[in-house]
Amino acid sequence: NAGVTQTPKFQVLKTGQSMTLQCAQDMNHEYMSWYRQDPGMGLRLIHYSVGAGITDQGEVPNGYNVSRSTTEDFPLRLLSAAPSQTSVYFCASSYGTSGGVQETQYFGPGTRLLVL
Amino acid sequence: AQSVTQPDIHITVSEGASLELRCNYSYGATPYLFWYVQSPGQGLQLLLKYFSGDTLVQGIKGFEAEFKRSQSSFNLRKPSVHWSDAAEYFCAVGGGFKTIFGAGTRLFVKA
Repeated sequence: NAGVTQTPKFQVLKTGQSMTLQCAQDMNHEYMSWYRQDPGMGLRLIHYSVGAGITDQGEVPNGYNVSRSTTEDFPLRLLSAAPSQTSVYFCASSYGTSGGVQETQYFGPGTRLLVL
Repeated sequence: AQSVTQPDIHITVSEGASLELRCNYSYGATPYLFWYVQSPGQGLQLLLKYFSGDTLVQGIKGFEAEFKRSQSSFNLRKPSVHWSDAAEYFCAVGGGFKTIFGAGTRLFVKA
């Protein structure tokens, strides 16, 4: 099992450019999430999904889009990059309990994004 | 709304000394509580979790945590810290479709 994979590992963008951060998991997890990590602020939830075709907003969704067409993939799109989106982005996946609660998350290695 | 507070931004302990990292949460229903660890340049790894039952839970690497509902706390402890424990530690609260993380506590270990 590769677990959770993220590409690219590092990216530099200019303000206004768009890009897609890729995330894939091979554990057949229903739940997938995107977080951004900034110094002193921990991990903040951007968007999450509880299954193919189902997504919802987290704490900081502005400027980001997601879709979930398959169980395995959960790409994060930056429509028009801004310097405030400079951050480290983590994708995570998990099962849900029988009651629908998000279980232990498995994290990818992260994507470091710099927006100039 | 869910929220997590980790009051200590960073802590320094001597190798072999005991450790306690504090975590307070806010959640309107029964919380599902987690502690994750992040080594430099890495993703996060689960240390332990509490869903129900015994309020003292054991995790990997000799860590334990105690859930205290009356204090809305889930503090992480280790009796004897090793140099390899130097990392950032995150407390998190869930209970539904999403999990919310605290700001983290960075642990420094001195020889």
